Amino acid sequence: QQQVKQSPQSLIVQKGGISIINCAYENTAFDYFPWYQQFPGKGPALLIAIRPDVSEKKEGRFTISFNKSAKQFSLHIMDSQPGDSATYFCAASMGNQFYFGTGTSLTVIP
Amino acid sequence: NAGVMQNPRHLVRRRGQEARLRCSPMKGHSHVYWYRQLPEEGLKFMVYLQKENIIDESGMPKERFSAEFPKEGPSILRIQQVVRGDSAAYFCASSPPAGANVLTFGAGSRLTVL
Repeated sequence: QQQVKQSPQSLIVQKGGISIINCAYENTAFDYFPWYQQFPGKGPALLIAIRPDVSEKKEGRFTISFNKSAKQFSLHIMDSQPGDSATYFCAASMGNQFYFGTGTSLTVIP
Repeated sequence: NAGVMQNPRHLVRRRGQEARLRCSPMKGHSHVYWYRQLPEEGLKFMVYLQKENIIDESGMPKERFSAEFPKEGPSILRIQQVVRGDSAAYFCASSPPAGANVLTFGAGSRLTVL
């Protein structure tokens, strides 16, 4: 059973555009929602994270929007750059239990 | 401050051989996780360990796979009698003691079974 559902599976965006990746979860016990970025041949690295007591968190060009009632959260990448081309994973956790989405392969075209 | 260290980075084995993958967690981290990533797929949870204790192995295949995290030394993921389907990237991650919600990944070990 997939605890966290992520879409789309792949995404192509023009340079300067907005990239949006969506995730949904079922378990209301989750209390931490991180996003990881993975470049080819590398391990996933924490990009940005949010807790359910806030609806939005912004760090530079990266923003998480969180909708607690809908049990959905999304990553927005503003002014997308070719260097943002990577695979993005959303996750949900409670304590030391982590559940990952299936990943989104983002390609930013120059 | 070294991050999560995994070795070997690349490992080639023939069918039927054994593969051992090692993971040293970040300093101060007492929890270790193993994930498997197949080409074009997401991260599949395998096992979650603390020192000398397996907390959750619900993602581990029932046969040929085992993991340990001894009191001294790295965590080891062991795959016996490897088959071609075991070819994948295996990632280790670590986190601080319970409740910290922080997961840091290593660079991965890429296993190729010929």
